[in-house]
Amino acid sequence: AQSVAQPEDQVNVAEGNPLTVKCTYSVSGNPYLFWYVQYPNRGLQFLLKYITGDNLVKGSYGFEAEFNKSQTSFHLKKPSALVSDSALYFCAVRDIGNTDKLIFGTGTRLQVFP
Amino acid sequence: EAGVAQSPRYKIIEKRQSVAFWCNPISGHATLYWYQQILGQGPKLLIQFQNNGVVDDSQLPKDRFSAERLKGVDSTLKIQPAKLEDSAVYLCASSLSAPAGYEQYFGPGTRLTVT
Repeated sequence: AQSVAQPEDQVNVAEGNPLTVKCTYSVSGNPYLFWYVQYPNRGLQFLLKYITGDNLVKGSYGFEAEFNKSQTSFHLKKPSALVSDSALYFCAVRDIGNTDKLIFGTGTRLQVFP
Repeated sequence: EAGVAQSPRYKIIEKRQSVAFWCNPISGHATLYWYQQILGQGPKLLIQFQNNGVVDDSQLPKDRFSAERLKGVDSTLKIQPAKLEDSAVYLCASSLSAPAGYEQYFGPGTRLTVT
C-alpha cells in the first residue's frame, strides 16, 4: 500500500535560517507526491507537487521540494524561514488505482522563532 | 475565483444525534472529496465523487455515514447516529478531474464535537 512518513513531529528554526521538513514515501510504481500546509482553523493549502520531470520542484511562498528516488524522499525546503511560515505541514502521496485519493502523513509542526 | 465553501464551521452534538455538513466546490471542478481529520492525524479520505457518481467510498462507515452529490455540484455528508469517535474536522476538497494528479483544493472544514 502507498504510504508516506514524516519522522519529525515538530521542527524548530530561527527566522532567516533555512528550513527542511522531511518526508519519505513507500509506493509501488511512480509516485505522485504533494505538500500541503495547514494554518490554525483553516483548511489545507496546496504548496507543490511532483509527478514527473525535474527532481527539484518549486511551489508557493518560496517553498521547494527535492524528489530523491534512491532515498525515497521528498523533503520540503525553504532557503530563509519566516515567522509566518509557522504552521502544520503535510506530505501526501496519491494512491494507486483509478482515483486521486491522497494518503497523508501525520504532519510536522514547523515553529519559526523571531 | 471563489474557493471551496463549507458549512457549518463548527458543530456540537450529543452522541446518537444526527448531523449534516454541506460543501460547495470550486466552479468547474468535477471531483469532490470528503476527508476526516482526527486531531493529531493527517486527513483520511471518506468518499470521492466524480461528477455525481461515487468513485471510492471504501473507508466510509456506511452503517452511520452517508453522502450525496445529486446534481454533480454541491454535496452533503451526514452522520446518523453520531459516536464519540466521530469528533473530528471534516474537510471537503475539489479538483478538476480524476484520475489525473491534479492538486486538490480544500475548504476550511467543519469541526465536529460529539459529547
